[in-house]
Amino acid sequence: AQSVTQLDSQVPVFEEAPVELRCNYSSSVSVYLFWYVQYPNQGLQLLLKYLSGSTLVESINGFEAEFNKSQTSFHLRKPSVHISDTAEYFCAVSDEGAQKLVFGQGTRLTINP
Amino acid sequence: GAVVSQHPSRVICKSGTSVKIECRSLDFQATTMFWYRQFPKQSLMLMATSNEGSKATYEQGVEKDKFLINHASLTLSTLTVTSAHPEDSSFYICSASFYRGTEAFFGQGTRLTVV
Repeated sequence: AQSVTQLDSQVPVFEEAPVELRCNYSSSVSVYLFWYVQYPNQGLQLLLKYLSGSTLVESINGFEAEFNKSQTSFHLRKPSVHISDTAEYFCAVSDEGAQKLVFGQGTRLTINP
Repeated sequence: GAVVSQHPSRVICKSGTSVKIECRSLDFQATTMFWYRQFPKQSLMLMATSNEGSKATYEQGVEKDKFLINHASLTLSTLTVTSAHPEDSSFYICSASFYRGTEAFFGQGTRLTVV
């Protein structure tokens, strides 16, 4: 069975500071990995995904994540955060073509001015 | 990009009544749809997987007679919460994907409050 662990339930940072949201997974097969963002009372928006190829994937709004197979990690990073990045972030894993997802517990990112 | 619309966004119902939530794929044919439940400040838990034209597959611990799922067309799936109770109050989110797709697309979610 697959599982995802997000080690930090809350991460407060100051605006323009760098941030890393940690995600570790367990799976006995090859996986696809995802980061989703959820704003209050809204659904999930895909931030970025790793399917194959380059282990470093980037989003259009400055986030990036690196797939590390040996450490079974997929940490999310951004070098300089903005107030608008305040949201809940979920890491997810799938081994069935990215359709049936197993989610981590979520990390609430709070940006302080 | 692919759009999934969920309706209603909020619903309040009386205990003992039933409520239906719709999930529509607006610009693609969704061969598979997923229903999730999210409790406050918690993660999403998969409730069931539905494939168009067949019965839904429920996750362990989810009552199939209480949470009725219908996926009658390639663009619409419905979740009906029957005989709702206050403990059914939650945020319900659907997602949809197409055959051999590499991504699931999520609806906006429905906040159900049972009073």
